[in-house]
Amino acid sequence: AQKITQTQPGMFVQEKEAVTLDCTYDTSDPSYGLFWYKQPSSGEMIFLIYQGSYDQQNATEGRYSLNFQKARKSANLVISASQLGDSAMYFCAMREGPAGSYIPTFGRGTSLIVHP
Amino acid sequence: DSGVTQTPKHLITATGQRVTLRCSPRSGDLSVYWYQQSLDQGLQFLIQYYNGEERAKGNILERFSAQQFPDLHSELNLSSLELGDSALYFCASSQQGWGVLNTEAFFGQGTRLTVV
Repeated sequence: AQKITQTQPGMFVQEKEAVTLDCTYDTSDPSYGLFWYKQPSSGEMIFLIYQGSYDQQNATEGRYSLNFQKARKSANLVISASQLGDSAMYFCAMREGPAGSYIPTFGRGTSLIVHP
Repeated sequence: DSGVTQTPKHLITATGQRVTLRCSPRSGDLSVYWYQQSLDQGLQFLIQYYNGEERAKGNILERFSAQQFPDLHSELNLSSLELGDSALYFCASSQQGWGVLNTEAFFGQGTRLTVV
């Protein structure tokens, strides 16, 4: 079974608008961490934001926020005020506790294109 | 710049050959992860080293091996290469690889391997 599911292969958004990228996860471990990474066309993986399973508040980093719904096992990334430079692949990842050996597991990614 | 250095950036080689990919982690990071990214499989975890010792294995073929040296740099050896081994190989490092969930992995720029 997929541990991380990103159901949107591709998304389009107008510049300056907000966009939500979906991510659902599957784990039975009570301790886990959720991450989002950005991969521009140049190929490097850039860390964006982190959410811990015990964190009470949703994580925010600048224009990035994570809509964490623990009961639904979802960790959607919200990008506000999209910019042309946000066009990239976005990967959701999870790091589980002892049962998962703390290894980051990645989803298949969502391609985001920002239109001017 | 993530601080993780991978060499070479590009590698073209023939089937049946052997190659070595090198990774220098961020200063102070003890844990190194290797990932393979291909179009059809996404980002697949291969192997993890922590302070010189192998800690976890993922979907790593027997033709592949890795090691982490006393100076903490790591090498991934790929032998008897096949066309299907063509992919982007990432190295990532984090400060701690065990017992810590909220430490993100910092990725190198990857080595793009093309097997012809």
